[in-house]
Amino acid sequence: DAGVIQSPRHEVTEMGQEVTLRCKPISGHNSLFWYRQTMMRGLELLIYFNNNVPIDDSGMPEDRFSAKMPNASFSTLKIQPSEPRDSAVYFCASSLGGGVGAEAFFGQGTRLTVV
Amino acid sequence: AQSVSQHNHHVILSEAASLELGCNYSYGGTVNLFWYVQYPGQHLQLLLKYFSGDPLVKGIKGFEAEFIKSKFSFNLRKPSVQWSDTAEYFCAVNARNAGNMLTFGGGTRLMVKP
Repeated sequence: DAGVIQSPRHEVTEMGQEVTLRCKPISGHNSLFWYRQTMMRGLELLIYFNNNVPIDDSGMPEDRFSAKMPNASFSTLKIQPSEPRDSAVYFCASSLGGGVGAEAFFGQGTRLTVV
Repeated sequence: AQSVSQHNHHVILSEAASLELGCNYSYGGTVNLFWYVQYPGQHLQLLLKYFSGDPLVKGIKGFEAEFIKSKFSFNLRKPSVQWSDTAEYFCAVNARNAGNMLTFGGGTRLMVKP
């Protein structure tokens, strides 16, 4: 398996533009997580899906952020409109669920810069 | 809800020194525990994990961690660090009866001086 695949790897956009980050989880995994990492705040969980259903989105900063998982093999994180303070590395991770399968595998991340 | 605390935010060691990074979690039920490592500019990778059985877990690159249930702790150790261990280390917990959510601690930045 190729692991968790995120695209794009780097994104530079202007303030006010819409940004869409994409994630393909590992095949067969039923949990998907979006994290944001910054120097100031460290690693923050934004939203967590289980079987394509959002379970906990309490970490989503505000209404400008939205996430979808239309099927088991694809998820998006959208920011509209983007702001400079959204600049961060966004990681997607997937796991097989609780018990012995709970290990999360991370993608390479998307480095977002909003200017 | 579960939470994870890593009390050491920055650690600086010389090569060959011993390492211990603290991790405490708050959750009363059964948990899975993890340590992840993030090398500069890279994504998080699993170092080791505890699900059940022997509370002393051995991972890759000479790392180990001990689960002490009575202290809600899962400290990471390595007897002799190397310059290549310079990275950020994250402790994480998955509470088995609270869905599959993985909660991370704030991370500890380790710098090993050559």
